[in-house]
Amino acid sequence: SQTIHQWPATLVQPVGSPLSLECTVEGTSNPNLYWYRQAAGRGLQLLFYSVGIGQISSEVPQNLSASRPQDRQFILSSKKLLLSDSGFYLCAWSVTRTGSSTEAFFGQGTRLTVV
Amino acid sequence: AQKVTQAQTEISVVEKEDVTLDCVYETRDTTYYLFWYKQPPSGELVFLIRRNSFDEQNEISGRYSWNFQKSTSSFNFTITASQVVDSAVYFCALSEAGTYKYIFGTGTRLKVLA
Repeated sequence: SQTIHQWPATLVQPVGSPLSLECTVEGTSNPNLYWYRQAAGRGLQLLFYSVGIGQISSEVPQNLSASRPQDRQFILSSKKLLLSDSGFYLCAWSVTRTGSSTEAFFGQGTRLTVV
Repeated sequence: AQKVTQAQTEISVVEKEDVTLDCVYETRDTTYYLFWYKQPPSGELVFLIRRNSFDEQNEISGRYSWNFQKSTSSFNFTITASQVVDSAVYFCALSEAGTYKYIFGTGTRLKVLA
């Protein structure tokens, strides 16, 4: 069966410090991978998605970047965190079958607080 | 452009009441997919249902049911005989064929009171 691992679960970082959040998927190959952010009490904002190794699409210009060094690994990074980067970050995966969108499955999330 | 609107920010009901969560979507595509997710206090999103644009049949799964109406661009979710464990934030989402993206609404927080 497929599983998704996301870590760390909680992170407190000072303003200006770097960030690296990692997500890995097991049990499937060539997944579509996603990073979403959920600000406190708000909806889910799509940040990045990737349909293959080295292929990254950015949805919102911001202080963050993403990379996909391996098929089932997706990394969210920042060189210098801002207070506004605080939020709940969710990684997700899906597969595409003959043009149809399957459901996306989410990791347990990382709660980031920038202080 | 894709858009999902969940106008109900928060709903409170007493246990055993029925409750309907509204979802209205916008898309120019004829082929698209709709989803509902549940986010309990732990934070992880739990997949509930997927519907494609060519299947307007309503679906029932236990106490959950979904009403998909293309004429009104709505995909509403009803919980019958609500329970305290149903308390969560519920998200509706849309994905247009070939876009790979899932666009979420802002969510509806459901509180079921004992």
